[in-house]
Amino acid sequence: DAGVTQSPTHLIKTRGQQVTLRCSPKSGHDTVSWYQQALGQGPQFIFQYYEEEERQRGNFPDRFSGHQFPNYSSELNVNALLLGDSALYLCASSLERTPQFFGPGTRLTVL
Amino acid sequence: AQSVTQLDSQVPVFEEAPVELRCNYSSSVSVYLFWYVQYPNQGLQLLLKYLSGSTLVKGINGFEAEFNKSQTSFHLRKPSVHISDTAEYFCAVSDQRWEPGAQKLVFGQGTRLTINP
Repeated sequence: DAGVTQSPTHLIKTRGQQVTLRCSPKSGHDTVSWYQQALGQGPQFIFQYYEEEERQRGNFPDRFSGHQFPNYSSELNVNALLLGDSALYLCASSLERTPQFFGPGTRLTVL
Repeated sequence: AQSVTQLDSQVPVFEEAPVELRCNYSSSVSVYLFWYVQYPNQGLQLLLKYLSGSTLVKGINGFEAEFNKSQTSFHLRKPSVHISDTAEYFCAVSDQRWEPGAQKLVFGQGTRLTINP
């Protein structure tokens, strides 16, 4: 079992661009959550997907959007990138009441 | 709304000494409690969880934590640390009310544990 996988591992973009990050959940998991972890901070909840719908959202602007596919994999899209969007983006998967299992993250740098 | 406060941003200890990392939470509803560890340039790994039952929870790598409802605390302890325990540790809570796909984790700011030889 490969666990949660994320791609790419690193990404460099410039302000105003758009980015798409990808996540494959742990085998058997059906819920995917995304978190943003700024340098030196704890992860902040962005949103959670279940049955291809966004079920809960944190305090992030509409520039952050997502999608979940029938195979439970997910994408996080960020439009109109700002310098402040530079962070480690973590994907986590879970099934019902199981604890969330995290991937290694995607490090996004916005110049 | 829930919040988590990790009282120490950095904790330096000597190898083989005991350590306690402190975590307090605030919530208007019952919560589940978690400790995660993050090694450099990696994601988060679950150390232990409190869902119900015994308030003393044992996790991986010799760590344990005690849930204290009256003090709203969930402190992490290890009786003897090793160099390999050097990492960032995060305390987190989630709502016990369960709806499919509606379980977010609220994290503290993290405690950097540094083990000195």
